[in-house]
Amino acid sequence: GDSVTQMEGPVTLSEEAFLTINCTYTATGYPSLFWYVQYPGEGLQLLLKATKADDKGSNKGFEATYRKETTSFHLEKGSVQVSDSAVYFCALTTSGTYKYIFGTGTRLKVLA
Amino acid sequence: GAGVSQSPSNKVTEKGKDVELRCDPISGHTALYWYRQSLGQGLEFLIYFQGNSAPDKSGLPSDRFSAERTGGSVSTLTIQRTQQEDSAVYLCASSLVWTANTGELFFGEGSRLTVL
Repeated sequence: GDSVTQMEGPVTLSEEAFLTINCTYTATGYPSLFWYVQYPGEGLQLLLKATKADDKGSNKGFEATYRKETTSFHLEKGSVQVSDSAVYFCALTTSGTYKYIFGTGTRLKVLA
Repeated sequence: GAGVSQSPSNKVTEKGKDVELRCDPISGHTALYWYRQSLGQGLEFLIYFQGNSAPDKSGLPSDRFSAERTGGSVSTLTIQRTQQEDSAVYLCASSLVWTANTGELFFGEGSRLTVL
């Protein structure tokens, strides 16, 4: 079945450091890919998405490129802030289905 | 309200008791999802509603779990004879359209269930 694999956390960085959170996927169809973020005490919210190969999703300084050849959708940010501390979830859904498949989440902690 | 509302936010119960968790989706959202988030685990899909119908209940962990949705709005997840392994955060999400390729899921803050 379809699946999403994320790098294990937690990830601890200093403010202004570069961030990469790896995400790879397995899908039988042609998936759309998403990153969701869960800030402390809040519900998950969509951070960015990409619906076809080579698309780049971006939001709040974060970006991720849909790489079909490597089945990856890695999340990057050039300079993290303390306020970026959260749990990040990679997810996919496939055309014609309703089900979103989520990864296990990666906790990011940014130190001042 | 403006977002997805879930209640209770926290529930502590004794093993063997029944619990009901409620989700009030965003008005007009026809698709509604229940997920379970256990410590150290990802989001586990439980069930999906399109309107009042649940085309796929295969994610429900056992026959102790059931869910319904009425009026195309509020949904209730019921867990009968709770077990300690049911302890988790139960998340509800809604979406405007069921063809979810470009649709966005809107999540509630979850109901944290602790079974003693």
